[in-house]
Amino acid sequence: DAMVIQNPRYQVTQFGKPVTLSCSQTLNHNVMYWYQQKSSQAPKLLFHYYDKDFNNEADTPDNFQSRRPNTSFCFLDIRSPGLGDAAMYLCATSRGSSIGSSYEQYFGPGTRLTVT
Amino acid sequence: AQSVTQLDSHVSVSEGTPVLLRCNYSSSYSPSLFWYVQHPNKGLQLLLKYTSAATLVKGINGFEAEFKKSETSFHLTKPSAHMSDAAEYFCVVDLRTGGFKTIFGAGTRLFVKA
Repeated sequence: DAMVIQNPRYQVTQFGKPVTLSCSQTLNHNVMYWYQQKSSQAPKLLFHYYDKDFNNEADTPDNFQSRRPNTSFCFLDIRSPGLGDAAMYLCATSRGSSIGSSYEQYFGPGTRLTVT
Repeated sequence: AQSVTQLDSHVSVSEGTPVLLRCNYSSSYSPSLFWYVQHPNKGLQLLLKYTSAATLVKGINGFEAEFKKSETSFHLTKPSAHMSDAAEYFCVVDLRTGGFKTIFGAGTRLFVKA
């Protein structure tokens, strides 16, 4: 089955120690997204890639970076995790869209990040 | 400005009774609207979507939603709740006109009592 895979499902890192979360997809979608979701809150979009074009949300901290080496993979790098970065990180994909149309997003199961 | 308001943070129903989760949006453009469901510690799953075709949209697991432009609403309904419906539900507006913007509502937690 085509899907969005996130690894690892659970990640523990130390305060200030860089961490990388990974996402892969077999859907061949143009667009890949990273969301941060804290407890009992809606997902918050951090950034997205439309093909190779990177689009950062205005309020995403510089501490968060992303890489998309090819269509299938996308990485979220947190350069110096703080306690406030503990959250569920969701990866999603969608088909590319033209003006006036949009497509649903397919979400991975998420990676729960704990910062100690 | 574009926004999404889910009118109830929590909804509690008894098994077998109807479900109504309310969503209002504000948009200067013709939006695409989605409902997603999230079970605990899981990713989000699409329930249904509206993209300017039929205003009554049927989704998975017996859910449906009606787009009402005059009321700027996109409420989610189900005739008979099941215990497995207990989850968090998000109404989402997607704007791809003149930019790229996905806006999530704050979510509604659905409780289903036996």
